[in-house]
Amino acid sequence: EADIYQTPRYLVIGTGKKITLECSQTMGHDKMYWYQQDPGMELHLIHYSYGVNSTEKGDLSSESTVSRIRTEHFPLTLESARPSHTSQYLCASSEYRGESPLHFGNGTRLTVT
Amino acid sequence: KNQVEQSPQSLIILEGKNCTLQCNYTVSPFSNLRWYKQDTGRGPVSLTIMTFSENTKSNGRYTATLDADTKQSSLHITASQLSDSASYICVVSDRGSTLGRLYFGRGTQLTVWP
Repeated sequence: EADIYQTPRYLVIGTGKKITLECSQTMGHDKMYWYQQDPGMELHLIHYSYGVNSTEKGDLSSESTVSRIRTEHFPLTLESARPSHTSQYLCASSEYRGESPLHFGNGTRLTVT
Repeated sequence: KNQVEQSPQSLIILEGKNCTLQCNYTVSPFSNLRWYKQDTGRGPVSLTIMTFSENTKSNGRYTATLDADTKQSSLHITASQLSDSASYICVVSDRGSTLGRLYFGRGTQLTVWP
């Protein structure tokens, strides 16, 4: 049923490596988000976008960057991975109106050794 | 400070029983309140969204209530099933900006035993 896809599902990488987490949605949603989630903790907003060529930092930019060149694609890049980046990364999208629900992908579980 | 607090942190019930999860918030100005279900290893899935004027909303065996005066919400699950085992997350949106900001609770971990 998922119309929002994240790859990879799991990633183990060494410190200092550059990585890109992919997120694509087929619903034509204008708004897209990246969240970080640790066990038992609330989701923290990393980046968001309200449309093509629009990106904003959230509460936890965590040395990451995003791009929104196409409506359906919102990749997250970590220039230099650190062990503190070990976490679950969730991508989400929604329609533009404020009461629209978020549609989440199934996440990327990142481990930095 | 805008916050969303959920209780209990975890809950174990037997299959077929009912349960109620609580959410208290201090978010202001309030726009809407959402409940999500997150299965292990999956992303959250929306259950209900309630605005200021709605005090009850149902989605199958899930019924959410909202008291905007006391800033409390509850999610009632009727006749629980094993598949209800999941984390239930309360999310509140403010109207401070045009498109609203979301405040997440830490979730209630529900386990349904056979």
